[in-house]
Amino acid sequence: AQSVSQHNHHVILSEAASLELGCNYSYGGTVNLFWYVQYPGQHLQLLLKYFSGDPLVKGIKGFEAEFIKSKFSFNLRKPSVQWSDTAEYFCAVNAVDSSYKLIFGSGTRLLVRP
Amino acid sequence: ETGVTQTPRHLVMGMTNKKSLKCEQHLGHNAMYWYKQSAKKPLELMFVYNFKEQTENNSVPSRFSPECPNSSHLFLHLHTLQPEDSALYLCASSQEMGGGSYNEQFFGPGTRLTVL
Repeated sequence: AQSVSQHNHHVILSEAASLELGCNYSYGGTVNLFWYVQYPGQHLQLLLKYFSGDPLVKGIKGFEAEFIKSKFSFNLRKPSVQWSDTAEYFCAVNAVDSSYKLIFGSGTRLLVRP
Repeated sequence: ETGVTQTPRHLVMGMTNKKSLKCEQHLGHNAMYWYKQSAKKPLELMFVYNFKEQTENNSVPSRFSPECPNSSHLFLHLHTLQPEDSALYLCASSQEMGGGSYNEQFFGPGTRLTVL
């Protein structure tokens, strides 16, 4: 069965610090990969996605993620975080050749201190 | 705004009540989903509808009953819930099901449900 692991449940950073959130998945076939963000009191929204092509994907608000197939990873990065990046971040995986199901990780709560 | 709306945003109900959650999408999508988001747990897929037909029931207890009268509307009927059912219930839609690039899901704001 597919699964998604987000290793950091809580991350606290100061503004301007660099961010990297880990995401690993277990599935041997072709996958689509997503990062969603949930700001306090707001709905889940897509941050970025990978379907094919360049494994380095750029999303909104200066975020990027790199798909490393050999490591089954899709880590999220941002060079310099802002207070407004305080949110919960979810990695999600969809197996292209099996189902429409999005399998989510348990999320990482990011707190950025001003 | 994602084009997916949910009402009510908050709901408090007793264990003997019957209530319904509503989801509406304005994106012309054909697939709709119900998820449950509990604290410290991954989002759990509950139900999937594709072209108004239910294609997935992810071992959800019968006290949750979905209804999809058309591709734009999705309901979740609730009856005799338990306190452990308290959670955020999210609706999502996508253009189509399947593993291709058209299955990006757009989420509504959710209904925060509290069962007393």
